[in-house]
Amino acid sequence: RKEVEQDPGPFNVPEGATVAFNCTYSNSASQSFFWYRQDCRKEPKLLMSVYSSGNEDGRFTAQLNRASQYISLLIRDSKLSDSATYLCVVNTAGGSGYALNFGKGTSLLVTP
Amino acid sequence: SQTIHQWPATLVQPVGSPLSLECTVEGTSNPNLYWYRQAAGRGLQLLFYSVGIGQISSEVPQNLSASRPQDRQFILSSKKLLLSDSGFYLCAWTMGGGNTIYFGEGSWLTVV
Repeated sequence: RKEVEQDPGPFNVPEGATVAFNCTYSNSASQSFFWYRQDCRKEPKLLMSVYSSGNEDGRFTAQLNRASQYISLLIRDSKLSDSATYLCVVNTAGGSGYALNFGKGTSLLVTP
Repeated sequence: SQTIHQWPATLVQPVGSPLSLECTVEGTSNPNLYWYRQAAGRGLQLLFYSVGIGQISSEVPQNLSASRPQDRQFILSSKKLLLSDSGFYLCAWTMGGGNTIYFGEGSWLTVV
């Protein structure tokens, strides 16, 4: 079983739609969780960290479910500019960057 | 603020030729540094990480090597490239005790 799994998509949604991605992780001792955004042929960029209580940043909401070992990303009122690949990142050891595990990403295409 | 820069952005190299990718971080001291590779349709693969000058850990056996001659400089090298070395190479950094990772712009390598 892979450490971090994501549905690769693609998710094709119209502008203004709400879309949600899930990401499951296998190590119950995982401590830190992140969502990154990667545009085509560009580097991944931090979108948001995921906190235990859930957190929101504008149209983006991230949630963590430790019992079921998954994190989610909800995007409301999708914009064309949201089209990208979204990477789930999980840290399996506290404070150690080399213990980061990356999902392969979920591709989102927002259409007019 | 901290910045990370890597170069060259794109290169096409013949099989058997050498490789040198360079990465520098500004605005921080003693960062942890990483080299990742992202092959088409695959996730990010950690190649090397470094917690200090001259300290290199390798995650996978390969014909690549890494060096850290200065605190904020990380170099990825190869003496003889293989076709399978083609991919998107990303340098990244984290704070020594942190796990939020930041990536350089990436280097596209095509071995022909």
